[in-house]
Amino acid sequence: NAGVTQTPKFRVLKTGQSMTLLCAQDMNHEYMYWYRQDPGMGLRLIHYSVGEGTTAKGEVPDGYNVSRLKKQNFLLGLESAAPSQTSVYFCASQIGGGVNTEAFFGQGTRLTVV
Amino acid sequence: AQKVTQAQTEISVVEKEDVTLDCVYETRDTTYYLFWYKQPPSGELVFLIRRNSFDEQNEISGRYSWNFQKSTSSFNFTITASQVVDSAVYFCALRGGSSARQLTFGSGTQLTVLP
Repeated sequence: NAGVTQTPKFRVLKTGQSMTLLCAQDMNHEYMYWYRQDPGMGLRLIHYSVGEGTTAKGEVPDGYNVSRLKKQNFLLGLESAAPSQTSVYFCASQIGGGVNTEAFFGQGTRLTVV
Repeated sequence: AQKVTQAQTEISVVEKEDVTLDCVYETRDTTYYLFWYKQPPSGELVFLIRRNSFDEQNEISGRYSWNFQKSTSSFNFTITASQVVDSAVYFCALRGGSSARQLTFGSGTQLTVLP
């Protein structure tokens, strides 16, 4: 079982460049999330989706856009990368909106913006 | 708004010592779940446990145990007879009734177990 797969695992960008991070899950989950992890701050929610074709802003959405055109994929875009976006990005999915639902995480994408 | 506080930024112990990682949370929801995740040096997030707000029984799983006290809004995690392989960052997280159903994470505790 693949679970949640993030592509790429590592990337170095120059300031101003754009890129898209791909999150793919094969568990038919409805809810998907993008978090960023910074030292001393835990994981913070960037954007999320509660189903195909829907997206919403999380705690730190500025500088990012997302799309959920297919249920299994959740894309995170950086239109003009900034050094402040240097972080480790985690995608997560869960089957639905139950409070007890377990979230499954990808392996993370380490992004450095120089 | 929800908040999770892990006041211990770093803890260092010698192998075989017991260690407790503290977690204090804030929420206005009456129904919520608490979680612990482990992040080893390889970077992935490993789910350890979840506990619902109505179940205050302590739980033990091998060398791991969890103490949930609603009266003090705490969900502490104890590792008994620590091992070098326990070295990792440990996150406490909370999920309440928000529409997003997202996890709110604490800032994590870096545990180093020395041989």
